[in-house]
Amino acid sequence: EAGVAQSPRYKIIEKRQSVAFWCNPISGHATLYWYQQILGQGPKLLIQFQNNGVVDDSQLPKDRFSAERLKGVDSTLKIQPAKLEDSAVYLCASSLGPSGYTFGSGTRLTVV
Amino acid sequence: GENVEQHPSTLSVQEGDSAVIKCTYSDSASNYFPWYKQELGKGPQLIIDIRSNVGEKKDQRIAVTLNKTAKHFSLHITETQPEDSAVYFCAAVSSARQLTFGSGTQLTVLP
Repeated sequence: EAGVAQSPRYKIIEKRQSVAFWCNPISGHATLYWYQQILGQGPKLLIQFQNNGVVDDSQLPKDRFSAERLKGVDSTLKIQPAKLEDSAVYLCASSLGPSGYTFGSGTRLTVV
Repeated sequence: GENVEQHPSTLSVQEGDSAVIKCTYSDSASNYFPWYKQELGKGPQLIIDIRSNVGEKKDQRIAVTLNKTAKHFSLHITETQPEDSAVYFCAAVSSARQLTFGSGTQLTVLP
């Protein structure tokens, strides 16, 4: 089966600019996650979707981050405006049930 | 919420030796414990997992043990090879189906 697709792979922006990341999960996976992985750390959950509804966004900095999952398939994560500390790899993952999480290769964001 | 602690942060072993990575978790309701390997520039890849009703699971050179009473689980890699060099993450899945990661272990296998 095809994996979790993410784009772009890399993005460099200046602080205060905006950026968007896209994720296409594995077909049929109802649950989709966005994680932030800062260099040298484990991934940290930003938001969890079940179909097109938000299950948990308690760790999402809502003053600058937003995410949507229209039609319960693809998802977009946006940052506006970006800060230097947002430099990280943004990982998308999907799962069918309570196990079997599959991750994409991530988008490496550098804010300068 | 769940909190996962992982040790050590770095581990160097000679090729052919064994490597052990240990994790503890805080939420007694967590019931699924996967281990991921992450290579440079790639997303985490599942290498082995264990459910709360099992104490040990083995897959070739990799094994995982779980002690639910102590809220402790470990990854064991035997006969290590240079291609085992990577960052390894433990994780725990809570009843809310959220995956919480440890801080990672950089494993280096020296030839």
